Amino acid sequence: DAGVTQSPTHLIKTRGQQVTLRCSPKSGHDTVSWYQQALGQGPQFIFQYYEEEERQRGNFPDRFSGHQFPNYSSELNVNALLLGDSALYLCASNPGQGTQYFGPGTRLLVL
Amino acid sequence: AQTVTQSQPEMSVQEAETVTLSCTYDTSESDYYLFWYKQPPSRQMILVIRQEAYKQQNATENRFSVNFQKAAKSFSLKISDSQLGDAAMYFCAYKDGGSQGNLIFGKGTKLSVKP
Repeated sequence: DAGVTQSPTHLIKTRGQQVTLRCSPKSGHDTVSWYQQALGQGPQFIFQYYEEEERQRGNFPDRFSGHQFPNYSSELNVNALLLGDSALYLCASNPGQGTQYFGPGTRLLVL
Repeated sequence: AQTVTQSQPEMSVQEAETVTLSCTYDTSESDYYLFWYKQPPSRQMILVIRQEAYKQQNATENRFSVNFQKAAKSFSLKISDSQLGDAAMYFCAYKDGGSQGNLIFGKGTKLSVKP
């Protein structure tokens, strides 16, 4: 049984560019959440998707958007990248009200 | 708003010894969940243990156990018989119950294990 997977593992972009990160949830999980983890900090909640709708959102600007597909996989898009967007982006999935399980993350570096 | 505080940025333990990591939280909710996640250098966030607030019994998973003090809003993690593979960042996290709420994390504690 595959766990949560994310792609790519690493990414380098320049300021002003746009980026798309991808996440496939664990089998049987219908809810996907995205977190941003800056160096030396705990993860911060970006948003959560359920039934292809954004159900909950953290304190992140509209430059951060997402999508969930019918197979429950999800994308995180970030527009107009800033240096401060450099971080580890974590995807987590859960079934119903179950515990969230995390993927290995995507390390984004903005130059 | 709910907050999670980990007051120990770094901790160290000798192999085979026991170590306790501290976590306090603040909430006005009565129904919630608490978690400890481990993040090794590989970056993968791994669930260590979970506690439901309505349960008085402290959760245990093999060498890992918690001391859940609901009135004091304290949730510490005890690691017994520490192993080299336990070296990692440990994050305490909170989630509201009754909804698909998001996790709120502390800043983490870096645990080193000395051979």
